[in-house]
Amino acid sequence: GAVVSQHPSRVICKSGTSVKIECRSLDFQATTMFWYRQFPKQSLMLMATSNEGSKATYEQGVEKDKFLINHASLTLSTLTVTSAHPEDSSFYICSAGTRGRNEKLFFGSGTQLSVL
Amino acid sequence: AQKITQTQPGMFVQEKEAVTLDCTYDTSDPSYGLFWYKQPSSGEMIFLIYQGSYDQQNATEGRYSLNFQKARKSANLVISASQLGDSAMYFCAMREGRAGGSQGNLIFGKGTKLSVKP
Repeated sequence: GAVVSQHPSRVICKSGTSVKIECRSLDFQATTMFWYRQFPKQSLMLMATSNEGSKATYEQGVEKDKFLINHASLTLSTLTVTSAHPEDSSFYICSAGTRGRNEKLFFGSGTQLSVL
Repeated sequence: AQKITQTQPGMFVQEKEAVTLDCTYDTSDPSYGLFWYKQPSSGEMIFLIYQGSYDQQNATEGRYSLNFQKARKSANLVISASQLGDSAMYFCAMREGRAGGSQGNLIFGKGTKLSVKP
């Protein structure tokens, strides 16, 4: 089946630094990728929709200047948490889909971000 | 109002028994898709089963089946012959609309933690 690779799986950083998370579709072209955030024992909350070659669409309440999303190619989307603070500590997970595979969105394995 | 409601925060089931995880949804869109995902402690989201709003038959995938009751807006997941490896969080999700082939995004419920007892 289709595979989405997310890297890194875990990152610890100091407050004020920026962290980049990559999401790659390995065997298909992803016209759309989604970025979710999940707090402990909570559900996934959509942060933004990333469309290849255009600006991301952010959900209400998500700061686009803090969570920079780039979808420069059909196989790669990146989420950069800029000037990270402890409250940004969370589990971030991406998913990818493409036309013709509407019934299934494929998820990455997630990234656990801990900001000290 | 919540779009996806999972009323069972936690469930226990004996190994080899069947278990039903509840999910109700709320939408006015006639076209939608319903999904179930499994999230083990490692964090990855594993797709289990999909049901389209226009599908005539209940979806089945191996030991997983979806009890789709459209009039009641419920999409319960049934796991037959539970295994120890089934212990995980289970999320019900919905995607509204498919106009123009767009993906839409998934709306997730709060999840149910399933524990399988040996």
